[in-house]
Amino acid sequence: DADVTQTPRNRITKTGKRIMLECSQTKGHDRMYWYRQDPGLGLRLIYYSFDVKDINKGEISDGYSVSRQAQAKFSLSLESAIPNQTALYFCATSDGRGSAGRNIQYFGAGTRLSVL
Amino acid sequence: DQQVKQNSPSLSVQEGRISILNCDYTNSMFDYFLWYKKYPAEGPTFLISISSIKDKNEDGRFTVFLNKSAKHLSLHIVPSQPGDSAVYFCAASARYGGSQGNLIFGKGTKLSVKP
Repeated sequence: DADVTQTPRNRITKTGKRIMLECSQTKGHDRMYWYRQDPGLGLRLIYYSFDVKDINKGEISDGYSVSRQAQAKFSLSLESAIPNQTALYFCATSDGRGSAGRNIQYFGAGTRLSVL
Repeated sequence: DQQVKQNSPSLSVQEGRISILNCDYTNSMFDYFLWYKKYPAEGPTFLISISSIKDKNEDGRFTVFLNKSAKHLSLHIVPSQPGDSAVYFCAASARYGGSQGNLIFGKGTKLSVKP
């Protein structure tokens, strides 16, 4: 089984719908992240969480919200989906208890989201 | 403004030859650099990293070189194999400076290794 699991793997939705992408991990890491990838734009950080009570906005948080339900679970919500949120979404985890700055992140397989 | 730049969107190399992927950065606070590899329909996977106190790190066929004065790093793959065909992302982090050690990614370089 994958250490970082994202569900669903693919999702098609309509403009204005609320959707949730889920991420769970078995690595025991305290830090979790949500990124989106668009063609030619690399990976951009949406939100991140360093522990259950800590939520921080990333570079492109507008239109998104997150919930850290447990150390192992971090979900991303689109309250009212719009077409320009069509992208590949990745969840990642890292162990923040090591040396600060040595931030190797481990990624899930991604969720491909299409908003029509 | 892009802090991590991969100026070559794609690179094609013959099997057995060397692949050199380049990355430039602008933020002098970056002190740790990573390379990730991504196959289609999969998430990025960590490949190799280097701390700013070093100028070279080697792991099998993969070597990363860091030139701090030029704010440039490169990934060398020798010899290249068809299975190395993937998108490679350069990433950087800063222990200090407000970014909390988060990774900043480049846009990626698509490597194609021809048999």
